[in-house]
Amino acid sequence: GAVVSQHPSWVICKSGTSVKIECRSLDFQATTMFWYRQFPKQSLMLMATSNEGSKATYEQGVEKDKFLINHASLTLSTLTVTSAHPEDSSFYICSPRGGAAEQYFGPGTRLTVT
Amino acid sequence: QQQVKQSPQSLIVQKGGISIINCAYENTAFDYFPWYQQFPGKGPALLIAIRPDVSEKKEGRFTISFNKSAKQFSLHIMDSQPGDSATYFCAPREETSGSRLTFGEGTQLTVNP
Repeated sequence: GAVVSQHPSWVICKSGTSVKIECRSLDFQATTMFWYRQFPKQSLMLMATSNEGSKATYEQGVEKDKFLINHASLTLSTLTVTSAHPEDSSFYICSPRGGAAEQYFGPGTRLTVT
Repeated sequence: QQQVKQSPQSLIVQKGGISIINCAYENTAFDYFPWYQQFPGKGPALLIAIRPDVSEKKEGRFTISFNKSAKQFSLHIMDSQPGDSATYFCAPREETSGSRLTFGEGTQLTVNP
């Protein structure tokens, strides 16, 4: 399968600060990037979808000004959680998709906001 | 909103036994039916997938069965092993929605030694 990396894998930040999560598709070009959030013992919740070079489309209830997504290249996408609060603590997973049918998943980033 | 119902929520089987997880869906436009496996602290990984032109697909110990008329598909794990202990998600997809996966609630499988 394809190789997807996320950085950092684990981050703790203070309430009110911003955190940037990077997602890289190392061996294929991601024309579409999905960002998910997963709370403990729950399923994956789609936050937003972005196509390379275009603005992201956010799911209902996801604040676009709080969760900034950049997909400037076919191998890199970033998710920035701005003014983070404890309720933003979660497991964030990127999921790039190339031209083929397969959608791959990153290893995830554990965010803890204190 | 798309509805995908996965059952059971949790499952405990003995080593060597058969694990069966079911997924029911409502959207008849779904055209790709995958199962994902997720270990704690990791992202999901594709385990096996089927398209609606076949009713069954087997890959090693893992079999996916598809019943189009019943709008259901299931995952069978034969000879279950402790290393299979993980959370499993069905996530059917409709191509016209931009390949968005619709995740089920997940099934936590525990295989006892």
